[in-house]
Amino acid sequence: GAGVSQSPRYKVAKRGQDVALRCDPISGHVSLFWYQQALGQGPEFLTYFQNEAQLDKSGLPSDRFFAERPEGSVSTLKIQRTQQEDSAVYLCASSLEGQGIQETQYFGPGTRLLVL
Amino acid sequence: AQSVTQLGSHVSVSEGALVLLRCNYSSSVPPYLFWYVQYPNQGLQLLLKYTTGATLVKGINGFEAEFKKSETSFHLTKPSAHMSDAAEYFCAVSDRGGNNRLAFGKGNQVVVIP
Repeated sequence: GAGVSQSPRYKVAKRGQDVALRCDPISGHVSLFWYQQALGQGPEFLTYFQNEAQLDKSGLPSDRFFAERPEGSVSTLKIQRTQQEDSAVYLCASSLEGQGIQETQYFGPGTRLLVL
Repeated sequence: AQSVTQLGSHVSVSEGALVLLRCNYSSSVPPYLFWYVQYPNQGLQLLLKYTTGATLVKGINGFEAEFKKSETSFHLTKPSAHMSDAAEYFCAVSDRGGNNRLAFGKGNQVVVIP
């Protein structure tokens, strides 16, 4: 069956450019998460959606980062005015249920962002 | 806030030898605990998880982990390493009743020596 897909797989941006990263979760999954994985580190939480509602954005590192999931399915992570420190792999994960029920998170392959 | 500690970023193990990856957690409430594996250019794949019940958890590819509350540990083991086990392994924790966000350790890069 189809898993979580992300596009593009690789993105090179010049410092100051805006980028948009797309995540297609597993069909029917209620919860969607974004994580940032810097080189040599574990993933770090960015934001969480339950359907179209963004319930937690406490991990977003600055107001340059913005995420949306308008129809409760596909999600987009947007980074404005990219900086070199934004270079990382951005991972998307989805799970079947919402809050309070610990469901397995299924991860996509990630988007590797390099800011020059 | 919950967190996990994984020591030793690179772990070398001989083929056929025991694989042991250590994970210690910090959580203010009884945690959910996970081990994920990441192969090059692939997403994280769940190896096993502890939520409740039996403290010895068996996962895929012959891996298992034991939840020890008294030691705040969730170490991952496999009796006999295979070349295909070469990958990066992450321990993670999430709080019960929260939004299920995962807090990951820094990971262990496992190298299997023929």
